[in-house]
Amino acid sequence: ETGVTQTPRHLVMGMTNKKSLKCEQHLGHNAMYWYKQSAKKPLELMFVYSLEERVENNSVPSRFSPECPNSSHLFLHLHTLQPEDSALYLCASSQNWLNAADIYGYTFGSGTRLTVV
Amino acid sequence: GNSVTQMEGPVTLSEEAFLTINCTYTATGYPSLFWYVQYPGEGLQLLLKATKADDKGSNKGFEATYRKETTSFHLEKGSVQVSDSAVYFCAGVSGNTPLVFGKGTRLSVIA
Repeated sequence: ETGVTQTPRHLVMGMTNKKSLKCEQHLGHNAMYWYKQSAKKPLELMFVYSLEERVENNSVPSRFSPECPNSSHLFLHLHTLQPEDSALYLCASSQNWLNAADIYGYTFGSGTRLTVV
Repeated sequence: GNSVTQMEGPVTLSEEAFLTINCTYTATGYPSLFWYVQYPGEGLQLLLKATKADDKGSNKGFEATYRKETTSFHLEKGSVQVSDSAVYFCAGVSGNTPLVFGKGTRLSVIA
């Protein structure tokens, strides 16, 4: 158990479905992140939330919609996805968005393996 | 901008062989450097870190020394095991930037 919990571990969805990925941390961290990991591609930072406010949105298509209702929870809402969106989606957290990340790094969850059919 | 470059894989070694995975970092200032490991079907786990020049991070038999002159942070292990088979990511962060990852190096250790 890493301290960051992601659910579900696996998800298969059709292109017309709506689903949500959930991430939860009780480490007292103030920053949370969504990453996309596709086969044979580098880790892609998608979104960053600091103190429940979005501070980074790296040109992610609008079919991905993040939500951070409090500092412990982060969601990624999915709708009308494409097959190329199939990937491992990783959530991470850190003490703060910019300060202290350089000392403690990020803590990752185990990821949600998403398959779009 | 900041960037991390690590050697391309895959790397295949026999059990008890010596491992080196090269990593260099380009940044303004002096970043903190990390190695993460990803076992099959899992997320990334912090393996070791160094927050200033000449620091040596170590864990589970792995070591990496932060070389200021070359901003390098090469990962080494004297005798790898089958259980070390995983993908290894070098990462760095400095000042007002997010953590930057290398592309990852897949290691396969065969008995």
